[in-house]
Amino acid sequence: GQSLEQPSEVTAVEGAIVQINCTYQTSGFYGLSWYQQHDGGAPTFLSYNALDGLEETGRFSSFLSRSDSYGYLLLQELQMKDSASYFCAVKPSYSGAGSYQLTFGKGTKLSVIP
Amino acid sequence: GAVVSQHPSWVICKSGTSVKIECRSLDFQATTMFWYRQFPKQSLMLMATSNEGSKATYEQGVEKDKFLINHASLTLSTLTVTSAHPEDSSFYICSASVTVRGNEQFFGPGTRLTVL
Repeated sequence: GQSLEQPSEVTAVEGAIVQINCTYQTSGFYGLSWYQQHDGGAPTFLSYNALDGLEETGRFSSFLSRSDSYGYLLLQELQMKDSASYFCAVKPSYSGAGSYQLTFGKGTKLSVIP
Repeated sequence: GAVVSQHPSWVICKSGTSVKIECRSLDFQATTMFWYRQFPKQSLMLMATSNEGSKATYEQGVEKDKFLINHASLTLSTLTVTSAHPEDSSFYICSASVTVRGNEQFFGPGTRLTVL
């Protein structure tokens, strides 16, 4: 089976930096993704790591250590609009035709305060 | 690019009725689509993987006779909740993966189902 652990809630100040950690245990592993979801909305893709190291996309960066089964999402220069839930998700299996299943963590609710 | 739509965005129905939810990839062809269910303040739970032209693969614990999935074309998958009951009330989200975008899944806006 698959299990992912991430903090349930994080609060940070506008303009600050916040790191959301994710540890996972999976039967298979093709990569770690991060998604953002605002209340009532659909998840939107943020970042993806298939190999160890840091991936940077604007204010967001994501890190993966496959040997430690660990990754994190780093959000810099926090803005009020970043208040949302953030989910890590692993690709534990291949579904065929170039598609992979995703198993989601329980999500981290980020609250950005003035 | 990589836009996924869902219809309806919300639906309220009486217990015992069936509800059909459509998921469309608007600007790409999706060989595989996924259906998720999300209860309030919880994570997304994969219900089934839908492959065009073949039977869907359901996750353990998901009743295939209750949640009928049809993926008749490369741009359309439908989920029908049959004989809906209040416990089926949830947020249903579909997604499709795009090979040219690193196989990432792109999600539809979701359908909020309320069964009275």
